[in-house]
Amino acid sequence: EAGVAQSPRYKIIEKRQSVAFWCNPISGHATLYWYQQILGQGPKLLIQFQNNGVVDDSQLPKDRFSAERLKGVDSTLKIQPAKLEDSAVYLCASSSLAGGATGELFFGEGSRLTVL
Amino acid sequence: QKEVEQNSGPLSVPEGAIASLNCTYSDRVSQSFFWYRQYSGKSPELIMSIYSNGDKEDGRFTAQLNKASQYVSLLIRDSQPSDSATYLCAVNGNYGQNFVFGPGTRLSVLP
Repeated sequence: EAGVAQSPRYKIIEKRQSVAFWCNPISGHATLYWYQQILGQGPKLLIQFQNNGVVDDSQLPKDRFSAERLKGVDSTLKIQPAKLEDSAVYLCASSSLAGGATGELFFGEGSRLTVL
Repeated sequence: QKEVEQNSGPLSVPEGAIASLNCTYSDRVSQSFFWYRQYSGKSPELIMSIYSNGDKEDGRFTAQLNKASQYVSLLIRDSQPSDSATYLCAVNGNYGQNFVFGPGTRLSVLP
């Protein structure tokens, strides 16, 4: 079974530029999460989708971050314009409907963003 | 916003010892509790889940939950150098919503 795919793995940009990250969850997984993990900290939930609807985006900085999950499958997270404090690993995770309740999240390898 | 706190690290234990990791959470209605392990430069992976008060054992790992005290812990018996990682406590509400991670505790097991 293929895991959660993310791209790009690494991205270096200048502040005020834009960047987009892509995630393809495990086939059949209804729930998709985007987390931001700053070095030395735990993952912080940015947005949670169930199918193509948003369940929770309360911690998404909506003035600069946006995310979409068209057709309830893959998802894109965009940052525009980027700030220095956005330097982090962006983790995508997915779960089945049952798995979301049981905590079984499957993570991709992450996309490491460096903002200069 | 739900908060999850963990004991500050890093925690160092000798090989073969018991490592004890602690976590507290703020939201009383939290339903499910999890421990994830994250090796340096890797993504988190689930190692234990617990839903009701008491202890749950899986091999060398034991999770303990006390909902009245809003406290969950993880014990690792016979610690091995391969257990050296960051351990993340995570808490979940109903239906998979509000899945929140703590800041993590870094564990080093010394040979």
